[in-house]
Amino acid sequence: SSELTQDPAVSVALGQTVRITCQGDSLRTYYATWYQQKPGQAPVLVIYGKNNRPSGIPDRFSGSSSGNTASLTITGAQAEDEADYYCNSRDNSNTLFVFGTGTKVTVL
Amino acid sequence: QVQLQESGPGLVKPSETLSLTCTVSGGSISSSDWWSWVRQPPGRGLEWIGEIYHTGSTNYNPSLKSRVTISVDKSKNQFSLKLSSVTAADTAIYYCARVAYSGNHYGDFDFWGQGTLVSVSS
Repeated sequence: SSELTQDPAVSVALGQTVRITCQGDSLRTYYATWYQQKPGQAPVLVIYGKNNRPSGIPDRFSGSSSGNTASLTITGAQAEDEADYYCNSRDNSNTLFVFGTGTKVTVL
Repeated sequence: QVQLQESGPGLVKPSETLSLTCTVSGGSISSSDWWSWVRQPPGRGLEWIGEIYHTGSTNYNPSLKSRVTISVDKSKNQFSLKLSSVTAADTAIYYCARVAYSGNHYGDFDFWGQGTLVSVSS
């Protein structure tokens, strides 16, 4: 399968922890990469590889994986974390990329 | 810091060919990285279109493969997208992005253009 499935929406209270999941067969082989997209802006890379953050991404963002499920955790969510989050990975053919369906995170 | 900038017409007629160019600055298109196009219909999710290496090797999304051509111009540090026989379903924001394979990156879209909206309408 070349699909990555995410919950459409989650909400989190300010300062609390939220976990966003991404499910797909390819995640048994490849790490998921995570992107944050705010309205009217291009996506921004937030987590890549096993659990790596690009320069400038706060350490409240972390990634993990188990079986066919990858997770992005925001520990101590801030108002500025309200955004759409997408996972992506290679598919099992290793020649194609697939993006997840996206999760809208609302910070209450 | 690598920067990418999309350019091209914002309006294309149905059945015609959509053509966009991505100009890369702050880095060489002949690096170890690949270069990709991603699109996003209004209010919807991201869709990977395809990618190219500076040698001209390409990979395409099977759902678009029959209509897509991605090419590279190393002399101008640019890569381009052509999508033929467009319909209203191809209306989207089109992004170009670098797919990084350097350092500890293994196929991560680490730099993106700002995106350009292309509408398909007569």
